[in-house]
Amino acid sequence: EPEVTQTPSHQVTQMGQEVILRCVPISNHLYFYWYRQILGQKVEFLVSFYNNEISEKSEIFDDQFSVERPDGSNFTLKIRSTKLEDSAMYFCASSEALGTTYEQYFGPGTRLTVT
Amino acid sequence: KNQVEQSPQSLIILEGKNCTLQCNYTVSPFSNLRWYKQDTGRGPVSLTIMTFSENTKSNGRYTATLDADTKQSSLHITASQLSDSASYICVVSPPSGYSTLTFGKGTMLLVSP
Repeated sequence: EPEVTQTPSHQVTQMGQEVILRCVPISNHLYFYWYRQILGQKVEFLVSFYNNEISEKSEIFDDQFSVERPDGSNFTLKIRSTKLEDSAMYFCASSEALGTTYEQYFGPGTRLTVT
Repeated sequence: KNQVEQSPQSLIILEGKNCTLQCNYTVSPFSNLRWYKQDTGRGPVSLTIMTFSENTKSNGRYTATLDADTKQSSLHITASQLSDSASYICVVSPPSGYSTLTFGKGTMLLVSP
């Protein structure tokens, strides 16, 4: 069964460093998303992406964040200058169509630890 | 403010027993409600999705109910198995846009032998 994959599974970085989290969405999906979950907290929406453009973003997704689809398979989330409060689980998701009734398939997540 | 509240926060049951998890929401207008299962250290996996016009949806041993008038949903798990141990998350969507997807904090279920 097709699945969303994410690398690395765990990333440790120092405050102020740049990190890139990578995702490979399901191959026939056109819509891609990033979410984060701070330990013990609820999952929060960051950004949605379609046709090489951001469709929607939340207040969390400030100028320190960017997303890119550098080739036909990868979807990346870059954090330019990490802060301690960026430590969280980051989930990528994809769906074949837009609309909240369409299923979003989540990857296993990348645990980001900022020290 | 859109909110999703889940109860209980955590629950321990014996293998083979049934349980019911609750979700109350204040999201309005409302498009659909999903229940996800999230194993520790993994991404959420969808169990059920219901629109405002549906009041029950089953997926194997999982049955979700929805009362759009009282803004309440429940997830009933029958004949629990050890593999049901996970966090169960209620997610509510209004009609427009993903930025307003509202997640609950989840109920942590532990099924013990």
